[in-house]
Amino acid sequence: DVKVTQSSRYLVKRTGEKVFLECVQDMDHENMFWYRQDPGLGLRLIYFSYDVKMKEKGDIPEGYSVSREKKERFSLILESASTNQTSMYLCASSLLSLRGHEQFFGPGTRLTVL
Amino acid sequence: AQSVAQPEDQVNVAEGNPLTVKCTYSVSGNPYLFWYVQYPNRGLQFLLKYITGDNLVKGSYGFEAEFNKSQTSFHLKKPSALVSDSALYFCAVRVLRGANNLFFGTGTRLTVIP
Repeated sequence: DVKVTQSSRYLVKRTGEKVFLECVQDMDHENMFWYRQDPGLGLRLIYFSYDVKMKEKGDIPEGYSVSREKKERFSLILESASTNQTSMYLCASSLLSLRGHEQFFGPGTRLTVL
Repeated sequence: AQSVAQPEDQVNVAEGNPLTVKCTYSVSGNPYLFWYVQYPNRGLQFLLKYITGDNLVKGSYGFEAEFNKSQTSFHLKKPSALVSDSALYFCAVRVLRGANNLFFGTGTRLTVIP
């Protein structure tokens, strides 16, 4: 089974802190994704990566950055956390292919910024 | 641009009755469509997908979905609902950019009443 793990299930940070969310997948997938999930808005793509050291902006990249130094690991960074970044963050991975391969999701990190 | 719509925020159904969760889509070209389920405090789990072929797609946990090109719909169905089916359901469409990027609907909360 594909396994996508996220470093924390729950996280509480203060405004202005630098926050790191870590994601690791064990299926040698090329693609990795970071989403945030908010009630009534569904999932929105923050950043994605299709290879080591490659990154692309998603639909809502403002206030975030990412790092992919190894194929299995994709990190989301909040340089200076703000209260409007309180949300559920979901990491996902998938194969690189022109076919419609599904994405596999981690359990999520619920981040609260005070 | 690709998009999906889930017109119902909430669906209630009695245990044992058939259930339908609606999804309509808008794409240019052939659609790749997906359904995911999210149980409380969990990440998303893949249920099924339509890429090509038969319009009726069967997936996990007894769910199926019918692709209807003329109505641009991909409704999720199950003949007999279980209380354990109560969860948040997301429809998604593959977008024609990025790395198998998916655009998600806003979700439908299904409640199965005992």
